[in-house]
Amino acid sequence: KQEVTQIPAALSVPEGENLVLNCSFTDSAIYNLQWFRQDPGKGLTSLLLIQSSQREQTSGRLNASLDKSSGRSTLYIAASQPGDSATYLCAVRYGSARQLTFGSGTQLTVLP
Amino acid sequence: EAQVTQNPRYLITVTGKKLTVTCSQNMNHEYMSWYRQDPGLGLRQIYYSMNVEVTDKGDVPEGYKVSRKEKRNFPLILESPSPNQTSLYFCASSPTGGAKGYTFGSGTRLTVV
Repeated sequence: KQEVTQIPAALSVPEGENLVLNCSFTDSAIYNLQWFRQDPGKGLTSLLLIQSSQREQTSGRLNASLDKSSGRSTLYIAASQPGDSATYLCAVRYGSARQLTFGSGTQLTVLP
Repeated sequence: EAQVTQNPRYLITVTGKKLTVTCSQNMNHEYMSWYRQDPGLGLRQIYYSMNVEVTDKGDVPEGYKVSRKEKRNFPLILESPSPNQTSLYFCASSPTGGAKGYTFGSGTRLTVV
């Protein structure tokens, strides 16, 4: 069964700290991987999309990496701010699948 | 603005009363999909559509219906809602079935009493 795991489930850090969120997947035959942000009771906002042929993508203070051989992706957030507090979801599109397989998310709290 | 629009945002209904949640996208995307999000279970796909008049089941299709008569719209129909369909629902679209990523709507929180 193709699964996506995110550890830790929750993370609390002081403002200004650099942090890394982890995502692991069970099948190296991924097509792409997408990181989302979800604020409480709100929709999913796409942060970064990494194709299977890429190793990383960057957007502002965010950097996502992909290592297919180890089945891992990381989302690096530089100089965290209270406004970064949200749940971060990792989602994998496997091969020819017509859906995303989501991790359970990491709930991030950035303390002022 | 490119977006996926869901309506309503919140809905409380009674068991057995048919309802429809609408989803519309303005990006001319071919692919659309519905997910539900539940605590401890994460996001699971209900139905998806590769194009007009082409729909298929996801992982949890029981109790739901969909239709794709127009490219921009993909409504989710609950013909006889039950309390176990209380959930947060998301509609998503993609230009090519996911190759360029997905855009999600803001969600519909449904409560069935």
